[in-house]
Amino acid sequence: GDSVTQMEGPVTLSEEAFLTINCTYTATGYPSLFWYVQYPGEGLQLLLKATKADDKGSNKGFEATYRKETTSFHLEKGSVQVSDSAVYFCALSDGYNQGGKLIFGQGTELSVKP
Amino acid sequence: EAGVAQSPRYKIIEKRQSVAFWCNPISGHATLYWYQQILGQGPKLLIQFQNNGVVDDSQLPKDRFSAERLKGVDSTLKIQPAKLEDSAVYLCASSRYFTRDVGSLSSGNTIYFGEGSWLTVV
Repeated sequence: GDSVTQMEGPVTLSEEAFLTINCTYTATGYPSLFWYVQYPGEGLQLLLKATKADDKGSNKGFEATYRKETTSFHLEKGSVQVSDSAVYFCALSDGYNQGGKLIFGQGTELSVKP
Repeated sequence: EAGVAQSPRYKIIEKRQSVAFWCNPISGHATLYWYQQILGQGPKLLIQFQNNGVVDDSQLPKDRFSAERLKGVDSTLKIQPAKLEDSAVYLCASSRYFTRDVGSLSSGNTIYFGEGSWLTVV
């Protein structure tokens, strides 16, 4: 079945460092791809999304490009802040074949030090 | 617009007791989801409703878990009897469309999550 694999954490960076969190997926159809963020003690928040190949999702300085040829959707940010410390989840949704449910990766914890 | 509302936020119960969680989705959202998130893992879908009908409950442990959405708006998830391994965050989410509708495929139907109900079974 469809699945999502993320790089393992935790990832620890210094403030203003460059961030990459790798995400690859397996899907039989043409899924939409998402990054969700979970701050400590809070629920999941949609960070960005892309609905078709070569689309780039972006929000709050984060961006990710839907790469069909490598089945990847890596999350990047040029300069992280302490406030970006959270758990990041990559997810896919294959609406046509699976009724729109989200399938999540295991999450990657990011810790940004001052 | 108001977000997805869930209650209670926190609950501690003993094993073999019962618990119920309530969810009110975003107004006008036809599809409602319950996810289970165990510590250190990604959320896993338990059940999906389209209005008041069940679309997918393949991963719901039906011997102890039940869920309903009688009027197609708010929903209740119940666990009875609870086990230690049910300790998790129970996330409710909603989306406007049921995404098998061809007209919505190109919109990237966004799913919005509530803050979750944190369950500890001791």
